[in-house]
Amino acid sequence: DGGITQSPKYLFRKEGQNVTLSCEQNLNHDAMYWYRQDPGQGLRLIYYSQIVNDFQKGDIAEGYSVSREKKESFPLTVTSAQKNPTAFYLCASSIASSQSDTQYFGPGTRLTVL
Amino acid sequence: QKEVEQNSGPLSVPEGAIASLNCTYSDRGSQSFFWYRQYSGKSPELIMFIYSNGDKEDGRFTAQLNKASQYVSLLIRDSQPSDSATYLCAAEWGATNKLIFGTGTLLAVQP
Repeated sequence: DGGITQSPKYLFRKEGQNVTLSCEQNLNHDAMYWYRQDPGQGLRLIYYSQIVNDFQKGDIAEGYSVSREKKESFPLTVTSAQKNPTAFYLCASSIASSQSDTQYFGPGTRLTVL
Repeated sequence: QKEVEQNSGPLSVPEGAIASLNCTYSDRGSQSFFWYRQYSGKSPELIMFIYSNGDKEDGRFTAQLNKASQYVSLLIRDSQPSDSATYLCAAEWGATNKLIFGTGTLLAVQP
């Protein structure tokens, strides 16, 4: 089955802890994205990567870090510097062609700070 | 500030009716537009995308784009209770492959 997987589905973090959210895709997509969704709000872009070993900050990158060592994987670390991390985190991927580019989403990780 | 605006709703329609969801965008450089459906607690799933002015039909769904008015809409014909969800409109920011999302419109189809 081709698709995007995210783990874990639910994650609980104590204050001061760093946690890492996993995102893997087997669609052979070049681009990968991390979004955050808060209740009643749209998706906000945290980080994106269009090629291995390269990534750019999105609109709300503070308190987050990423890596892109493999085409298939784009893990997101939520650091203790992120003051309000409780949210629904969504990973997406796309072909990243020069023409318009459809993003497909994984199932999401719901992070709660205890 | 690049923005995509949607009425949050809820938009309530009876089963079998046409649901009309609307979206405006601020970036005149946007060329591509996407509609996603999101059920409560789930991730967004793509419904349709549209690049050209005019209408694009796919089954019960029709997307409409008017670049002069910076307006995108999604029509759902013969609405079913299973269509009840939040519909997210997204515009591509220039030619960056980055999407700007609206806050979504909650659609409730009444049996």
